[in-house]
Amino acid sequence: EIVMTQSPATLSVSPGERATLSCRASQSVSSNLAWYQQKPGQAPRLLIYGASTRATGIPARFSGSGSGTEFTLTISSLQSEDFAVYYCQQYNNWPLTFGQGTKVEIK
Amino acid sequence: EVQLVESGGGLVQPGGSLRLSCAASGFTFSHYAMNWVRQAPGKGLEWVSVISGSGAITYYTDSVKGRFTISRDNSRNTLYLQMNSLRAEDTAVYYCARDHNSGYLSNWFDPWGQGTLVTVSS
Repeated sequence: EIVMTQSPATLSVSPGERATLSCRASQSVSSNLAWYQQKPGQAPRLLIYGASTRATGIPARFSGSGSGTEFTLTISSLQSEDFAVYYCQQYNNWPLTFGQGTKVEIK
Repeated sequence: EVQLVESGGGLVQPGGSLRLSCAASGFTFSHYAMNWVRQAPGKGLEWVSVISGSGAITYYTDSVKGRFTISRDNSRNTLYLQMNSLRAEDTAVYYCARDHNSGYLSNWFDPWGQGTLVTVSS
């Protein structure tokens, strides 16, 4: 099973600042990586797939990068609605696996 | 508008059974693989199972193999998860989620339903 490790567990950021979230795979997943956003009491929402392709309707301030084992989700200028938990997910191998999440909170 | 609505959750005793349903609308259901993903209270996401659009292909995470069965009825646009021999560690919100792309197992999820809570406790 591929283990996905996200860091940091919690990221404290002021509105308008840049947030950088990391996701590491225990073995290469090529570019088969997705990012999701989850707000309290809501279902997750797809942000990024293919490591760097924004899903439909996702603002340009969200960007993804990386390949192999190291990936990054960047939020260029945090808006109030961006404070949430973010998960990465690999889909290169069965079973599909998620990271444990990074909580982005208001500083 | 694409909609996924789960139902069937509830309180069940250890060793018991439950069947979850996910009613889909707003897209050609048979063209898409469908998934179940769960989230234990206060915890992260765990993929559970996937079924191809035709129903011919299924995969499961190891912890549910032999206990859970995923199925679908394309005439009713409905996805199912039959859960047997339930354990306390199966307690979670269960989400159904559509594969992003039609025609093959793309294996990333969009959209998701609102989830249904399964509690396994005596």
